[in-house]
Amino acid sequence: ILNVEQSPQSLHVQEGDSTNFTCSFPSSNFYALHWYRWETAKSPEALFVMTLNGDEKKKGRISATLNTKEGYSYLYIKGSQPEDSATYLCAFFTHTGGFKTIFGAGTRLFVKA
Amino acid sequence: DGGITQSPKYLFRKEGQNVTLSCEQNLNHDAMYWYRQDPGQGLRLIYYSQIVNDFQKGDIAEGYSVSREKKESFPLTVTSAQKNPTAFYLCASSISGGVAGYGYTFGSGTRLTVV
Repeated sequence: ILNVEQSPQSLHVQEGDSTNFTCSFPSSNFYALHWYRWETAKSPEALFVMTLNGDEKKKGRISATLNTKEGYSYLYIKGSQPEDSATYLCAFFTHTGGFKTIFGAGTRLFVKA
Repeated sequence: DGGITQSPKYLFRKEGQNVTLSCEQNLNHDAMYWYRQDPGQGLRLIYYSQIVNDFQKGDIAEGYSVSREKKESFPLTVTSAQKNPTAFYLCASSISGGVAGYGYTFGSGTRLTVV
């Protein structure tokens, strides 16, 4: 059974703190890894699409790294702001038995002003 | 603005009734998807469609049905055969054959509650 784990489940930080969370996925048959940001009552929005081992992506204060050989991706937020409060989802794409997408359960981030 | 519209946002259903969730997109995307979210779990695929008049079962298709008569529309019917329909339902779309490289565009979801 293919499984994607995100940790921690939730995280409370103060405004200005830097934080990071993890997405763990199978280290074989990797095709792509996505990060999505999902604010309450809104649609999930794509943050990063990552396809190569060693990829590093950055968008403003948010960045992500990818290690396909060991099966993990980190998402970093530098200087968290209240507007960063959201659930962060990762999605693992594999081509085992046909193309398949497996979502993690998400990390819920709360940033207190 | 291009996007995906899901309606209604909240839906209440009596046991034994069928209900249909609407999903419309104006992105000219060929592929559309229905996902279900339950507390503490990742999104799970119900059905997807890569092209008009064609669709495929996902991981949890039992008790659901879909149609794809128009490129813009991919309605999901939750039938009385679905044993545990209370959940949050997300519709998504993507460039055909390109979801892994370009990502999903999601709607804002419908919360279905069986009363």
